[in-house]
Amino acid sequence: EAGVTQFPSHSVIEKGQTVTLRCDPISGHDNLYWYRRVMGKEIKFLLHFVKESKQDESGMPNNRFLAERTGGTYSTLKVQPAELEDSGVYFCASSQEVGGPQADTQYFGPGTRLTVL
Amino acid sequence: GESVGLHLPTLSVQEGDNSIINCAYSNSASDYFIWYKQESGKGPQFIIDIRSNMDKRQGQRVTVLLNKTVKHLSLQIAATQPGDSAVYFCAETGNSGGYQKVTFGTGTKLQVIP
Repeated sequence: EAGVTQFPSHSVIEKGQTVTLRCDPISGHDNLYWYRRVMGKEIKFLLHFVKESKQDESGMPNNRFLAERTGGTYSTLKVQPAELEDSGVYFCASSQEVGGPQADTQYFGPGTRLTVL
Repeated sequence: GESVGLHLPTLSVQEGDNSIINCAYSNSASDYFIWYKQESGKGPQFIIDIRSNMDKRQGQRVTVLLNKTVKHLSLQIAATQPGDSAVYFCAETGNSGGYQKVTFGTGTKLQVIP
């Protein structure tokens, strides 16, 4: 079974540009999460989708970040315009259907390393 | 790797010895705890979990201990191997319906000396 995949693995952009990160969860997983680790800090939650609906977006830092999950499959996280402090590693995770026996276990992708110059 | 700039406590262990990685958590309402292993260039990988109604759980070569009184979690790795070298994170989720955001600790870097 394929794990969580993320694209791209690395992205280097200039301040003010736009970047879109993509996450493909494990097939059949209803729950999809975005996290990030910025320099010198621990991994922090950004938001949680249940299928195509945003369940919890309390961790989104500001309105420059937009996450979507149209159709309840893959998700995108867009940063527009990017700022220097957005540099870090963005992780995506997924877990099984709501109510499933492994719904609490989140499986992480390899992350996208974003560098804003 | 992702740890650049993040000053992690480091545990150095001789190959074959047992490792104990400790973690303190702050949220007394947390009811589910997980240990993740992160190798360089990879995302966190699930190792073992424990619910708050348990105080010990064993897996293959790993044991997690939970002390809710002092809000302490530990991961024990038996017969540590070079492949165990990684950053280990404890994590917790709250208790409001499940499927919650994971709150990560800062991590501990485990170095296995061959």
